[in-house]
Amino acid sequence: GDQVEQSPSALSLHEGTGSALRCNFTTTMRAVQWFQQNSRGSLINLFYLASGTKENGRLKSTFNSKESYSTLHIRDAQLEDSGTYFCAAEGSNYQLIWGSGTKLIIKP
Amino acid sequence: GALVYQYPRRTICKSGTSMRMECQAVGFQATSVAWYRQSPQKTFELIALSTVNSAIKYEQNFTQEKFPISHPNLSFSSMTVLNAYLEDRGLYLCGAGQSQNTLYFGAGTRLSVL
Repeated sequence: GDQVEQSPSALSLHEGTGSALRCNFTTTMRAVQWFQQNSRGSLINLFYLASGTKENGRLKSTFNSKESYSTLHIRDAQLEDSGTYFCAAEGSNYQLIWGSGTKLIIKP
Repeated sequence: GALVYQYPRRTICKSGTSMRMECQAVGFQATSVAWYRQSPQKTFELIALSTVNSAIKYEQNFTQEKFPISHPNLSFSSMTVLNAYLEDRGLYLCGAGQSQNTLYFGAGTRLSVL
């Protein structure tokens, strides 16, 4: 069935640096969402993309449906960015297909 | 691999009635199960976190009287929305894992209320 491969599974960054997370899809997806799971367990919606690129503060996300991937870039990482990040792709039947998550640790 | 199935995928209930949704974990032990509801802002709010053999912890604004949860074993959990009204509409998500920090998510149950 449809699958989402998310990488890396874990990432450690020093404050002020940046990196990128990636989700690859095995089939064409309608849209992708990126979430941050915070320390309280809530899933905070960061981006919803049907195509192209969106930017919000220090975060930028791209969704390339043709090449079946999406990325989430974090720059100038801050301590409060720590948490687990998930991508969730919207399949052809509008169901959410989740990536396995990236545990992000920001070090002072 | 680890899979989480939620059913039904979509359901409609009449205002004032109740609706039960289920979450099945396959390929791993679901020691922890978290139930979420998607807000109008698209964020998923945590309703409650259940750990097998421990009390279920409800978040503020959610109660056992309204959202009773059952987590009888390491592969299954259910949640009921009692006396559903319009404000209970939305997508309900189950996340299951061996700990609350490692959750696998289902595709969600979409609830419509007439």
